[in-house]
Order: sequence, then C-alpha cells, then structure tokens
Amino acid sequence: GNSVTQMEGPVTLSEEAFLTINCTYTATGYPSLFWYVQYPGEGLQLLLKATKADDKGSNKGFEATYRKETTSFHLEKGSVQVSDSAVYFCALVKQGGKLIFGQGTELSVKP
Amino acid sequence: NAGVTQTPKFQVLKTGQSMTLQCAQDMNHEYMSWYRQDPGMGLRLIHYSVGAGITDQGEVPNGYNVSRSTTEDFPLRLLSAAPSQTSVYFCASRPTGESSYEQYFGPGTRLTVT
Repeated sequence: GNSVTQMEGPVTLSEEAFLTINCTYTATGYPSLFWYVQYPGEGLQLLLKATKADDKGSNKGFEATYRKETTSFHLEKGSVQVSDSAVYFCALVKQGGKLIFGQGTELSVKP
Repeated sequence: NAGVTQTPKFQVLKTGQSMTLQCAQDMNHEYMSWYRQDPGMGLRLIHYSVGAGITDQGEVPNGYNVSRSTTEDFPLRLLSAAPSQTSVYFCASRPTGESSYEQYFGPGTRLTVT
C-alpha cells in the first residue's frame, strides 16, 4: 500500500544552521508530494508541493525535490530561524485525493 | 473568507458521552475530510466526503459518524466517547478537479475523554 516515512524527531538546531528532514515514500505510479507545516497551536498549512518527478517545490526558503529513482522528497533549508520551529509533515496523494501523512518531525530552533 | 472553521477548540468528555465536532468552510469546496492527530502517528483519515449527501470511511472510522447535508458543513459525531478517542481532530477541505490536491485545514479541536 501507499505509505510515507519521515526521519524521527525532535530535531534541534541552532539558528542559521542547515536543515534536512528526510522523507521517503512507497506508492505505485506517480503520486503528488507535499510538505505541510504545523506551528504551535495551529492547524496544518501547505509549505510546498511537487506533482511530478524532478519537480522542485520551494517556499519561504525551504526546498524539496521529487526524486522518483530514490522515492524521496527531502525537505531542506539553508539557514533556519527560530520562527521555523514547528512540526513538519511529509505527505502524498494519489488519484482520488486522499492524503497519506508521515508521522511528523518536530523541529526546534534555538537562538 | 474565513476558510475552514472548527468548534469547539477544546472539549472534555466523560466516557460514554456523545458530542458533535463542528466543521464549516466558505470556499465552496466539494471535498471535506476529518483527521485525527496522535503523537508519533501523523494524521489519520477518519471519514471524508466528495460532496453533499456522499460520505465514505477512511482509515480509522470506528466510533465516529458523519453526514454531509450541505456543501459548507461536515460535522463529526462521537456516539459513545472512549479514552482512545482522546486526540486532536482536524477538518480539511479542497476543491474537486484540482490536480494538485492541496487541502486547507481548520485550527483543530483538542478532545480529552476521561
């Protein structure tokens, strides 16, 4: 079946450090891939997306590239800020529109 | 636009009580869904609806009922609350026919069952 696996958290970084959160998926065909972010006490917001192989999604300094050959969609940011502290969810969707989420990775950025 | 709204924000129930979590959206989205969020498990789909009058089960439907009488509203009913239903519940919506399938989430309802 379809599934998403993320690296376990929590991830703790200092401000301006480089961030990578790994995400791999299992799915037949060509799912669309997403990163959602959940700030403390809030609902999920779409951070970025990619709908086909080799697409790069980007937003707010975050990037992720859809890698079909490694079934991965790793999230990266060159210089994190305290305001990036949140829980990050990788997700996929296939035809029919049901989202399948990873377990979430908590990021804490210290000044 | 208010987007997706959920009420209440917080709720405490005793085992066996029933209640309804409310969800409404003002974006004229056909597709609506309910998720529960538990630590270390991400979000799991409870029920979803592709339009008024049409609902279907998700991954974890037991103990929950839904109905969709209008495009705007999609309430979630707990028939007889159990401690295992302690969770944070999110409602989401999206338009149908969108190839990107981006969903819009409400702020959540934190439910505790004692």
